[in-house]
Amino acid sequence: GAVVSQHPSWVICKSGTSVKIECRSLDFQATTMFWYRQFPKKSLMLMATSNEGSKATYEQGVEKDKFLINHASLTLSTLTVTSAHPEDSSFYICSARGATKKLFFGSGTQLSVL
Amino acid sequence: GQQVMQIPQYQHVQEGEDFTTYCNSSTTLSNIQWYKQRPGGHPVFLIQLVKSGEVKKQKRLTFQFGEAKKNSSLHITATQTTDVGTYFCAEPGGATNKLIFGTGTLLAVQP
Repeated sequence: GAVVSQHPSWVICKSGTSVKIECRSLDFQATTMFWYRQFPKKSLMLMATSNEGSKATYEQGVEKDKFLINHASLTLSTLTVTSAHPEDSSFYICSARGATKKLFFGSGTQLSVL
Repeated sequence: GQQVMQIPQYQHVQEGEDFTTYCNSSTTLSNIQWYKQRPGGHPVFLIQLVKSGEVKKQKRLTFQFGEAKKNSSLHITATQTTDVGTYFCAEPGGATNKLIFGTGTLLAVQP
């Protein structure tokens, strides 16, 4: 099956620093990638939809300047959490959709901001 | 953000018992998808239902799409410990084809 690689798996950072998370589709071209956030024992909350070569579409309540999304190629999207604070600590998961329209998920990134 | 309601939130069963989770939407859906997320893992696609009243089976799992295409259910027959995890339904959200996840049902299976 299709593989989506997400890196890093976990990251610990100091408050005020920025963290970049990468999401790569390894064996298919992802025209659309989605970024989700998940709190413990909660559902996945969609943050933004990323289309290759265009600006991301953010969900209501998600700060564009805080969560920078770049989808520079058909196989790579990045999410940068800028000036991270403890309340940004969460599990971030990307997913990618290709020609088959199925959604494949990365393994997620656990972010802890101290 | 937008979410789809699922019930129950949590279900604890003895191994061998059946389990059902229900998903309800306020709008008519073009399709609905189901995912399973193991503890510590990421969601894995299970199935997509498209037609009104559709029923699909995968071994011990039975998926159903309501006649009005506003609700769906997942039924597991004779649960096993490997069924442990959170089951999410997901619905397409508007013209951008984004996927909106349900609130999820956490299934615990006691051996």
